[in-house]
Amino acid sequence: GAVVSQHPSWVICKSGTSVKIECRSLDFQATTMFWYRQFPKQSLMLMATSNEGSKATYEQGVEKDKFLINHASLTLSTLTVTSAHPEDSSFYICSAAPHRDFVPSTYNEQFFGPGTRLTVL
Amino acid sequence: AQSVAQPEDQVNVAEGNPLTVKCTYSVSGNPYLFWYVQYPNRGLQFLLKYITGDNLVKGSYGFEAEFNKSQTSFHLKKPSALVSDSALYFCAVRDTGGFKTIFGAGTRLFVKA
Repeated sequence: GAVVSQHPSWVICKSGTSVKIECRSLDFQATTMFWYRQFPKQSLMLMATSNEGSKATYEQGVEKDKFLINHASLTLSTLTVTSAHPEDSSFYICSAAPHRDFVPSTYNEQFFGPGTRLTVL
Repeated sequence: AQSVAQPEDQVNVAEGNPLTVKCTYSVSGNPYLFWYVQYPNRGLQFLLKYITGDNLVKGSYGFEAEFNKSQTSFHLKKPSALVSDSALYFCAVRDTGGFKTIFGAGTRLFVKA
């Protein structure tokens, strides 16, 4: 249980195009989902926190108009990188925090997706 | 503000030897502490967590970690390293007020056969 998927696993796009990345919790409902960005050989940087049905909370320095986050349901969150540029190339990882009723022992945990590698040419 | 430090960029150990990956933290209140492992081009895999209770926490793949409140440390350990343990390890901390998790810079573990 507690599987999180991301689609696509990798994407190459031209500069100026928009790219959508999906994050799904496959076997549990996630009240909160998180989006991270990871540069090569660096740690994960939290970009934003999204709660189902409400606006995402962005971390300082993250452009909300560039990184659009939608958390339409308890199992799906999407990150859209708008007008992507080469500097947006990175590894994007989502995580999901299960509803407390899922499995009590997993409460307080986050389950991570496998990541999406974005390359902008 | 909460923070977590992993003082070693890299740890090298011979297969069969014990390994330690260090982590210290700073958080107001009682911390929730986590260790994750990441293999190349993959997401993070949960290893173990400390929420409350016993200071020695046992996790996946034979790993364990010891919570030391006085030293604000949460070092990851394994009695006998395997080559397959070679990966990037992240320590993470969260305060009890919410879900925002802060990750350390990561420590790359190399286990030599």
